[in-house]
Amino acid sequence: EVQLVESGGGLVKPGSSLKLSCVASGFTFSSYGMHWIRQAPKKGLEWIALIYYDSSNKYYADSVKGRFTISRDNSKNTLYLEMNSLRSEDTAMYYCANMPGWGQGVMVTVSS
Amino acid sequence: DIQMTQSPSSLPASLGDRVTITCRASQDIGNYLRWFQQKPGKSPRLMIYGATNLAAGVPSRFSGSRSGSDYSLTISSLESEDMADYYCLQSKESPFTFGAGTKLELK
Repeated sequence: EVQLVESGGGLVKPGSSLKLSCVASGFTFSSYGMHWIRQAPKKGLEWIALIYYDSSNKYYADSVKGRFTISRDNSKNTLYLEMNSLRSEDTAMYYCANMPGWGQGVMVTVSS
Repeated sequence: DIQMTQSPSSLPASLGDRVTITCRASQDIGNYLRWFQQKPGKSPRLMIYGATNLAAGVPSRFSGSRSGSDYSLTISSLESEDMADYYCLQSKESPFTFGAGTKLELK
């Protein structure tokens, strides 16, 4: 069974940084591209980043390009999202996914 | 960027109804289209991939179809457990884009 467990969220001030982690199990992590998707409160889903199985390619939504960095460590079955220069509009639940599977999400709140 | 125009935004329906949700792609996306179901407070669940393929464990009353640039999710006979938000996602090219969502609710 696919399990994805995110961590690292919290309440931070605008301009701050935060790093999310997602630990995977139940599938061959090193064979899958991995995504980060977010959902602002009471809003729809927004895809924000993809990393290929071997880290050879990374793609970002325009809304986070230059501020967020996706990475992975296949030896640790872990996906990361480093978020810099956080803004209030980054407030959301952040999910990691291999599509089909999704994590339970981790909340990031950016507020002064 | 590829835009996914999803309709309707809200769909009141009765148990047993046949319902259809549609996404229109602004550019060719082939069959790179997935449908997700999301219930309140829960993570999204993959329902359909490759535009027409049922994901593992999804009831057979769900189906996906394509007509040109229009992609549809159909529930043949609505059950109470199907009340949820539904989203399409194109994965043809980056940035991947979701439709705005459809709230399926009891009439």
